[in-house]
Amino acid sequence: DQQVKQNSPSLSVQEGRISILNCDYTNSMFDYFLWYKKYPAEGPTFLISISSIKDKNEDGRFTVFLNKSAKHLSLHIVPSQPGDSAVYFCAASELTGGGNKLTFGTGTQLKVEL
Amino acid sequence: GAGVSQSPSNKVTEKGKDVELRCDPISGHTALYWYRQRLGQGLEFLIYFQGNSAPDKSGLPSDRFSAERTGESVSTLTIQRTQQEDSAVYLCASSLARSKQFFGPGTRLTVL
Repeated sequence: DQQVKQNSPSLSVQEGRISILNCDYTNSMFDYFLWYKKYPAEGPTFLISISSIKDKNEDGRFTVFLNKSAKHLSLHIVPSQPGDSAVYFCAASELTGGGNKLTFGTGTQLKVEL
Repeated sequence: GAGVSQSPSNKVTEKGKDVELRCDPISGHTALYWYRQRLGQGLEFLIYFQGNSAPDKSGLPSDRFSAERTGESVSTLTIQRTQQEDSAVYLCASSLARSKQFFGPGTRLTVL
C-alpha cells in the first residue's frame, strides 16, 4: 500500500524554466510534508517542508504547495539550474501523532538540460 | 564530523551470513532512524529511536532484523541470515526531536 505516490518517474526541463514535481498521498493523518533531493551515492538532502496548517512555503527558488482537500503537494523550482538535476523524494509524517518516521514516495528523476 | 556517518560504505556478503551496519548520528540529535532503499523503490522506514523511549520497530521486515542504540550516540543495525532480498542501500538519519532529518551517505549491501 503506497501511501505517498510520485507518479512521474522522470522529468526533463530546460535551464531557466520552471520544474514542477508532483506528489499525492492517501493517509489523511499526515500533517507534515518534506521534499528531499538525492544525488547518486549520497544520502537524501533536505530541501523544504510544509506543515498541514499552511498551503504554501517558499525558500529561494523552491516553493512547496499543499492542497489538503486533494491530498496533493507539489514542488516548484524556478528558475531551474543544471545543478538541480537529481532524484527528488516527497515524504510525509504524522507529527501530531507522536512519531517522526517518514513515509517516502518512489522519487522523480529531474534532468535540467542546457 | 558535522554530518551523519555510516560504515561500511559497501558490504558484499554471502547468503546466510550475518551483517552489522553502523551509524554515527549528528552530535546532540536525540532521534535516529534507519531506512532502506531497494533498487527502483523509495525509502522504506525500518526503525526509529527517540531518546530513552522504546524504539518504534514497526518497519522491520522480519525478526532477522534488529537494531540497537547506545544512549544518544551510535546505532547498529544487524541483519541475521541474510537473504538476497535484503540487498539494498541502508540509510541512517538523525534529528532533533520532531524536526527535519539529516541523512548519512548509506551502506550499500549486496547479498550474493
